Amino acid sequence: SAVISQKPSRDICQRGTSLTIQCQVDSQVTMMFWYRQQPGQSLTLIATANQGSEATYESGFVIDKFPISRPNLTFSTLTVSNMSPEDSSIYLCSVGTGIVFFGQGTRLTVV
Amino acid sequence: LAKTTQPISMDSYEGQEVNITCSHNNIATNDYITWYQQFPSQGPRFIIQGYKTKVTNEVASLFIPADRKSSTLSLPRVSLSDTAVYYCLVGVLGGSKAGNMLTFGGGTRLMVKP
Repeated sequence: SAVISQKPSRDICQRGTSLTIQCQVDSQVTMMFWYRQQPGQSLTLIATANQGSEATYESGFVIDKFPISRPNLTFSTLTVSNMSPEDSSIYLCSVGTGIVFFGQGTRLTVV
Repeated sequence: LAKTTQPISMDSYEGQEVNITCSHNNIATNDYITWYQQFPSQGPRFIIQGYKTKVTNEVASLFIPADRKSSTLSLPRVSLSDTAVYYCLVGVLGGSKAGNMLTFGGGTRLMVKP
């Protein structure tokens, strides 16, 4: 299994600002994924971030709102831009190594 | 897309065996079946994965019939700490969108009572 560390674990942000979430993995992985989990809901895939290529976004998610970086095989960032209260969610980083493993998530509250 | 259907919620008592069934009628030939457990404010935790027949590990068993159109997660002798949401996913990493391992359904909220 992979050990995934996310920072910050939680944050409270003002509307209109941006937050960058970091994801660090203890081993090299090709496939990394970012999910959103709104309160009381299931997980929704935001994008797939493979090193060396542009992130692939799912329907309903755009790069201008959720820019992603993947500079190497152990690290990725997700930025939530121009935040509104509707962006209040848990954001989760995950990696695929045959099985998908998840970080503990970043709880974001936008006020 | 291999959609999954699970009961929204289940109740059980400590010490009982709990079976959670997931329907996936349009599972593809290459798809695997994976179950996750999620506690509040935590990321999903991998429980078990299988392709066919029966798989068992230290925490659960996974039963998959020959037609693979459903699967059953079996938790032996549950305790209060097993209260969580359980998700069934089907697909394969790197596969096409049809059968995407990364798509979560609604999950089953299991409540274990004393």
